[in-house]
Amino acid sequence: DQQVKQNSPSLSVQEGRISILNCDYTNSMFDYFLWYKKYPAEGPTFLISISSIKDKNEDGRFTVFLNKSAKHLSLHIVPSQPGDSAVYFCAARGPYGNKLVFGAGTILRVKS
Amino acid sequence: DTEVTQTPKHLVMGMTNKKSLKCEQHMGHRAMYWYKQKAKKPPELMFVYSYEKLSINESVPSRFSPECPNSSLLNLHLHALQPEDSALYLCASSQPVGRGYEQYFGPGTRLTVT
Repeated sequence: DQQVKQNSPSLSVQEGRISILNCDYTNSMFDYFLWYKKYPAEGPTFLISISSIKDKNEDGRFTVFLNKSAKHLSLHIVPSQPGDSAVYFCAARGPYGNKLVFGAGTILRVKS
Repeated sequence: DTEVTQTPKHLVMGMTNKKSLKCEQHMGHRAMYWYKQKAKKPPELMFVYSYEKLSINESVPSRFSPECPNSSLLNLHLHALQPEDSALYLCASSQPVGRGYEQYFGPGTRLTVT
C-alpha cells in the first residue's frame, strides 16, 4: 500500500524554466512533508519541508505547496539549472515517532 | 555542519561473513536511523534509535543487528546475509521527535553479498 505516490517517474525541463514535481498522499495523519534530492551513489540531501498547518514554504529557488484537501503537494524549482538534475523524493512524516514514508521518486533532467 | 559520515563506502561480503557498517554524526542529534535502498526504489526504514535506545524495528531479519554505542555513533552488524540483501545502506540522523523532523543522510554503504 503506497501511502506516498510520485506518479511521474521522470521529468525533462529546459534550463531557466520552471520544474514542477508532484506528490500525492493517502494518509490524512501525515503532519509534515519533506523533499529530498539524490544524486547517484550519494545519500539523499534534504531540500525543503512544510508543516501540514501551512500551504506554502519558500527557500530560494525552491517552493513547496501543500493542498491538504486534495492530499497533494508540489515542489517548484525556478529557475531550473542543469545541476538540479537528480532524483527527487517526496517524504511524509507519520504522527508517531519520526518515521518517514518516501515516494518512489521522480528523475528530473534539466537540459541546457 | 550537517554531515553524516558512513564507512565503508563499499563492502563485498560472502554469505558466511560477519561485517559491520558504521555511521557517525556530530550535529548533536539524538535520533539515528538505518535505511535500505534498492536500485530505483525509495529508501526503506529499518531501525530508529532515539536517545540511544531502539525505538522502531521495522520487522527486520535478525541477521541485521543494530547498535548505538553513544549519541554520535550507530553501527549495523551483518551476519549470514543473503544475496538479496545487496543494497545501498543509508544512515540518517535528526533531532528527537517533537524537536524537528528533517533527517540528514550519509552517503551510504554500497553492500554486495556474494
